[in-house]
Amino acid sequence: GESVGLHLPTLSVQEGDNSIINCAYSNSASDYFIWYKQESGKGPQFIIDIRSNMDKRQGQRVTVLLNKTVKHLSLQIAATQPGDSAVYFCAENNYGQNFVFGPGTRLSVLP
Amino acid sequence: DGGITQSPKYLFRKEGQNVTLSCEQNLNHDAMYWYRQDPGQGLRLIYYSQIVNDFQKGDIAEGYSVSREKKESFPLTVTSAQKNPTAFYLCASSKTRVARSTDTQYFGPGTRLTVL
Repeated sequence: GESVGLHLPTLSVQEGDNSIINCAYSNSASDYFIWYKQESGKGPQFIIDIRSNMDKRQGQRVTVLLNKTVKHLSLQIAATQPGDSAVYFCAENNYGQNFVFGPGTRLSVLP
Repeated sequence: DGGITQSPKYLFRKEGQNVTLSCEQNLNHDAMYWYRQDPGQGLRLIYYSQIVNDFQKGDIAEGYSVSREKKESFPLTVTSAQKNPTAFYLCASSKTRVARSTDTQYFGPGTRLTVL
């Protein structure tokens, strides 16, 4: 599993710039991945998902990239807005087993 | 307005008390889940249920209990046996939970439990 810590890594970006949030997943057999956005004091909100038979998937202003060779997942947010400020975390799943969740990255959008 | 609701939003408990957290969904999902979230950590699975009248322990079930008498409802009881219950509790649901097929999980707004 992933290591845990009291302090989340933080990414600070200027409003209007693109953001890239990374996630190293643990199980090479995982076949399904989700990115969630969580605002302070709220439940996680589904952003985008991807299955292991794909390398890239695009949504509205977001793109998820999957590199199975190095077990790496990234979330790209285009033209970052103040409303994008939140904690973003990835989840991985191995063919219907329980999800494994990363601790997340805090995105801070600077005016 | 479909979704997952949790109540209460904030809950305070004295040591030695049992408390029950509510989770309701009107998405017609078969599977429901309870997670615990602590600062700086990934979500940890407490219990899950694939169908009515059935539930399974997750990774950290000790000190918790659940029931699944109705498809829409999956309440979680935090018992006095749970040594460190202060946390943010999240309920989730998915359309199904079967082997070799993964459905997206959607989350409720959460309940913050504080032990006084």
